[in-house]
Amino acid sequence: RKEVEQDPGPFNVPEGATVAFNCTYSNSASQSFFWYRQDCRKEPKLLMSVYSSGNEDGRFTAQLNRASQYISLLIRDSKLSDSATYLCVVNPGTGRRALTFGSGTRLQVQP
Amino acid sequence: ETGVTQSPTHLIKTRGQQVTLRCSSQSGHNTVSWYQQALGQGPQFIFQYYREEENGRGNFPPRFSGLQFPNYSSELNVNALELDDSALYLCASSSLTGGYEQYFGPGTRLTVT
Repeated sequence: RKEVEQDPGPFNVPEGATVAFNCTYSNSASQSFFWYRQDCRKEPKLLMSVYSSGNEDGRFTAQLNRASQYISLLIRDSKLSDSATYLCVVNPGTGRRALTFGSGTRLQVQP
Repeated sequence: ETGVTQSPTHLIKTRGQQVTLRCSSQSGHNTVSWYQQALGQGPQFIFQYYREEENGRGNFPPRFSGLQFPNYSSELNVNALELDDSALYLCASSSLTGGYEQYFGPGTRLTVT
């Protein structure tokens, strides 16, 4: 079983749509959680950290459910510029600050 | 921009050769991590350097080695290149006194033929 699992997509949505991505992680000791965004052939960029209480940044909302080991990202009012791969990322809490990445979910926002 | 730089941008090598990739971390960051990203996959952790010492390693063979310098810049060396080493190599900088966020450089795309 992969440490971090994501639906690979692609998710094809029209502009203005709301889209949700889900992710599960296997290590219950994981300490920190993030969503990164990666454009084609570019480096991953931190989109947002994910906190137990849930957090929002503009059109983006992230949720964490530690009991179910589940992380989600909601994008409201999708823009063409949101088209990218979204990577679910976990710090496994092994004492070193390595990050474990999911394989990513591809989003294509269409006009 | 993150302020993390990597060189070279692209590299083509032949199987069996050796390669050195370089990374300069963001100002104020003392930790550098290296990741390998194959096509269609998420980045895989290779190793991390803190205060010029290896601070953790992923499931990569010993022919993957690294260095960190006093100015916190870092090198990744790969010996005896194999075709499967073709990938995007990403360097990420962070601070062990800060949060767990890591900030990535633009990467080096390595092709092994």
